Amino acid sequence: AQKITQTQPGMFVQEKEAVTLDCTYDTSDQSYGLFWYKQPSSGEMIFLIYQGSYDEQNATEGRYSLNFQKARKSANLVISASQLGDSAMYFCAMRDHSGYSTLTFGKGTMLLVSP
Amino acid sequence: DAGVTQSPTHLIKTRGQQVTLRCSPKSGHDTVSWYQQALGQGPQFIFQYYEEEERQRGNFPDRFSGHQFPNYSSELNVNALLLGDSALYLCASSPPARGRSMNTEAFFGQGTRLTVV
Repeated sequence: AQKITQTQPGMFVQEKEAVTLDCTYDTSDQSYGLFWYKQPSSGEMIFLIYQGSYDEQNATEGRYSLNFQKARKSANLVISASQLGDSAMYFCAMRDHSGYSTLTFGKGTMLLVSP
Repeated sequence: DAGVTQSPTHLIKTRGQQVTLRCSPKSGHDTVSWYQQALGQGPQFIFQYYEEEERQRGNFPDRFSGHQFPNYSSELNVNALLLGDSALYLCASSPPARGRSMNTEAFFGQGTRLTVV
């Protein structure tokens, strides 16, 4: 069975600073995908970034980058130059190799960005 | 292009009642998944519908059932509601298999917040 662990219930960061949100995972699959989603108070899950288990380079999408350390089974999200609009819940998720699109989520980290 | 739409946005039901939640997938998507997100938790997979059939199911009792229509829209039904069924119910859609790879993200709706009293 797959498992995602996010150990930080909440994180605080000042505007314009960088922040790292931790994610570790457990799976017996060799092929898998890791996702980060942002959930504002409205409830919608917004896709941020993806990392495949065979990708050799860390994924980047604008201000978001994923620090992927396969041997340590970690996939930390780095947000550079935080903005007030980044305040939200952040979820790490994993998809298995079946390709059925189902996701296993962690419990999430609440990020608060202060002026 | 409309994304994933869910209705209603909020719902209050009494214990023992039945509820139906609705989801219209993003245009061009044929696969619909449902997730339950309890307060303070991450979403948990309930089931997935493809070609009008339940293709995969998570660890949820038979009180949770669903349906997919020919236009790919979907319903989630919950019978004999319990207080513990209070949660945000999220619908996610994905494109056809031939257009899908491991990195294809699922698109989520804004959810239906169900309160059972």
